Amino acid sequence: NAGVTQTPKFRVLKTGQSMTLLCAQDMNHEYMYWYRQDPGMGLRLIHYSVGEGTTAKGEVPDGYNVSRLKKQNFLLGLESAAPSQTSVYFCASSQGASGANVLTFGAGSRLTVL
Amino acid sequence: RKEVEQDPGPFNVPEGATVAFNCTYSNSASQSFFWYRQDCRKEPKLLMSVYSSGNEDGRFTAQLNRASQYISLLIRDSKLSDSATYLCVVNMGGNNRLAFGKGNQVVVIP
Repeated sequence: NAGVTQTPKFRVLKTGQSMTLLCAQDMNHEYMYWYRQDPGMGLRLIHYSVGEGTTAKGEVPDGYNVSRLKKQNFLLGLESAAPSQTSVYFCASSQGASGANVLTFGAGSRLTVL
Repeated sequence: RKEVEQDPGPFNVPEGATVAFNCTYSNSASQSFFWYRQDCRKEPKLLMSVYSSGNEDGRFTAQLNRASQYISLLIRDSKLSDSATYLCVVNMGGNNRLAFGKGNQVVVIP
């Protein structure tokens, strides 16, 4: 049972380039989330999804887009990367709403934008 | 006031000692509280949920003080393997949004 898998684990981009981070979960969870973690700050929610075909904005959605075409996958896209998007990105999933349910995180994707 | 505040430390703890730290939260309506553990360059993992009556899991004890709006985590008989950052997580209500603290870094020293 793999849990939550993120790809790629590391990526270096130049300013203006685009990329997609893939998150896959095999626990049949309804809810999926994308967070970013920066030094000296708590995890911040970028976007989330409460089910297949749905997405919603979190605290820091600007510069990112997401899609949830299949229940098990949640994609995070950067259309035009900026140095401010250098961060560690964590995907997470939960069976129910995050307020009362355990989050299972992926191992993280470290992105550097030059 | 920040939604969730933690003293980042580090908390340098001799092996076998007890360490405790608090996390304050701003929303008096919050109903769910959690401690997650994050090892260096790893993902956060749930350590324990925090219930109104407090809860204990082995050497770890979590408590909630609603009147003063803080939760606490106590680690007894610290092990080297307890070295990690402990994240305080609070349900901010409404749309069930979670707020994460910056974490308390614990370093257990032999």
